[in-house]
Amino acid sequence: SQQGEEDPQALSIQEGENATMNCSYKTSINNLQWYRQNSGRGLVHLILIRSNEREKHSGRLRVTLDTSKKSSSLLITASRAADTASYFCATRRETSGSRLTFGEGTQLTVNP
Amino acid sequence: DTEVTQTPKHLVMGMTNKKSLKCEQHMGHRAMYWYKQKAKKPPELMFVYSYEKLSINESVPSRFSPECPNSSLLNLHLHALQPEDSALYLCASSQALTTGELFFGEGSRLTVL
Repeated sequence: SQQGEEDPQALSIQEGENATMNCSYKTSINNLQWYRQNSGRGLVHLILIRSNEREKHSGRLRVTLDTSKKSSSLLITASRAADTASYFCATRRETSGSRLTFGEGTQLTVNP
Repeated sequence: DTEVTQTPKHLVMGMTNKKSLKCEQHMGHRAMYWYKQKAKKPPELMFVYSYEKLSINESVPSRFSPECPNSSLLNLHLHALQPEDSALYLCASSQALTTGELFFGEGSRLTVL
């Protein structure tokens, strides 16, 4: 079963707007990661946040983690058409850290 | 060099064929992974190798047979596949088994007729 559930499943915005995607998970984690996938391509790692961290930034990306609610969010600021992709959260569980399990993903479309 | 290279990019095979997917990384990573991804779904873990030894097999049918000849190479041997096995097969590597990010290849698109 999938560890992560993401919402929304699909998000369509205009260039320049911010995009927020959410991820919830069920068990205690070691870390949570976000990946991006362009259609039919491999996944690209965006950012990793450890269970003892609450917020992390990388360029136009901001990730938050709330372990009490077992949830994370990914914010992309000032979006561009090139940000159009699927975004997946992935978790490494505390008890089974060798498995990286992916959520269902959010399909982001940024309209020019 | 931060690439994971997968070949072939596309593969069409019949249900009686035997074929192999190949994956190579030169980042010195000691963990390598096979994932299967169906359209509009997340990647699903199939196998994990750590230091060239099979660490995880997620109850994958025996018609899929992984092999790790050395620390840089990972193969997936395919035999007697079914049409429902058609998917994007993704290889990934990571520095260690239990921490850190995964580096993915571009995938091999498999179609089983």
